[in-house]
Amino acid sequence: GNSVTQMEGPVTLSEEAFLTINCTYTATGYPSLFWYVQYPGEGLQLLLKATKADDKGSNKGFEATYRKETTSFHLEKGSVQVSESAVYFCALSGKGQNFVFGPGTRLSVLP
Amino acid sequence: GAVVSQHPSRVICKSGTSVKIECRSLDFQATTMFWYRQFPKKSLMLMATSNEGSKATYEQGVEKDKFLINHASLTLSTLTVTSAHPEDSSFYICSARDRGGRVTDTQYFGPGTRLTVL
Repeated sequence: GNSVTQMEGPVTLSEEAFLTINCTYTATGYPSLFWYVQYPGEGLQLLLKATKADDKGSNKGFEATYRKETTSFHLEKGSVQVSESAVYFCALSGKGQNFVFGPGTRLSVLP
Repeated sequence: GAVVSQHPSRVICKSGTSVKIECRSLDFQATTMFWYRQFPKKSLMLMATSNEGSKATYEQGVEKDKFLINHASLTLSTLTVTSAHPEDSSFYICSARDRGGRVTDTQYFGPGTRLTVL
């Protein structure tokens, strides 16, 4: 079945540091890929998505590129802020299929 | 962007009582809504898929008589935790898939409901 693997957290960075959170997936067909962010005590917010190979999703300075050859969708940001401390979930969804979430990566950004 | 609301955001109840959680899509129609459960510092676990006008589809291991789901309209799904016990305490999150007249894989999530059973 489909699955998503994320790097284990927590990830602790200083403000303005470069962020990478790795995500790899296993899936049949050509799923859509997503990054969601969950701030403390809140639900999930869609951060970005990509629906086909080589697509780059981007939002609020975050980027991720759908790499079919490496089955990856790594999240990157050039300069993180304290307010972006949260849990980040990588997820995939095949057409008409349910979402499959990764375990989440907790990011802490220190001032 | 699409907005999904949940009510209540927090609920504390006594063991043995039932609790109803509402999930609404505010600016779009959702033929399908999903209910997830999230344990502390864990990922989301899909409990059931709710389709408007039909019975919900439950994931393996989820008791359908314990977690009653009703999707009565294109904008409202409810989850009722019946005879709640402390082990049912959790963060419950719903999501909705935009009907939109087109096929889309994006789900929009509600803010979650924290249930504490004493």
